[in-house]
Amino acid sequence: EIVMTQSPATLSVFPGGSLTLSCRASQSVSNDLAWYQQKPGQAPRLLIFGASARATGIPARFSGSGSGTEFTLTISSLQSEDFAVYYCQQYRNWPLTFGGGTKVEIK
Amino acid sequence: QVQLVESGGGVVQPGRSLRLSCAASEFIFTSYGMHWVRQAPGKGLEWVAVISYDGNNNYYADSVKGRFTISRDNSKNTLYLQMNSLRAEDTAVYYCVQGAEYSISSSLIGWGQGILVTVSS
Repeated sequence: EIVMTQSPATLSVFPGGSLTLSCRASQSVSNDLAWYQQKPGQAPRLLIFGASARATGIPARFSGSGSGTEFTLTISSLQSEDFAVYYCQQYRNWPLTFGGGTKVEIK
Repeated sequence: QVQLVESGGGVVQPGRSLRLSCAASEFIFTSYGMHWVRQAPGKGLEWVAVISYDGNNNYYADSVKGRFTISRDNSKNTLYLQMNSLRAEDTAVYYCVQGAEYSISSSLIGWGQGILVTVSS
């Protein structure tokens, strides 16, 4: 099983600021990596697939990069609606696995 | 906009069974792999199972293998999850999720609102 590790667990940011979230895979997943956003009481939403491609309707302030074992999600000009939990997920191997999540809080 | 509506959740005793259903609409159900993903209260996401667009292939998480069965009825645009021998650790919100077109391994594109399953005596 590929273990996905996200850091940090929690991040406090001022609105309008920028941030970078990290996700590391225990073995290479090539670019078979997705990012999701989940707000309290809601289902997750796909943000990024293929490590760097934005899903339909996702604003350009969300960007993903990386390949192999190291990945990042960058959010620029943080809006109030961006405060949420973010998960990475690999779909290179079975079982599909998620990282533990990073909670982005208002500072 | 993809519509996925789960049903069949509730409270069940340990060792008993439950079947979840997911009614799909607003996309061509017969072309997409479909997944179940769960989230225990206050915890992260855990992938549970996937079934191919034609129902001929499936994969399971080790934690549910041999107890859960994923299936689909393409004539009814409906996905199922049969859960047997339920345990307390199966307590979670279960999400029905759309995968990619004609692919069994993919990112998870469209999500239902989820349904709560509570396993408790």
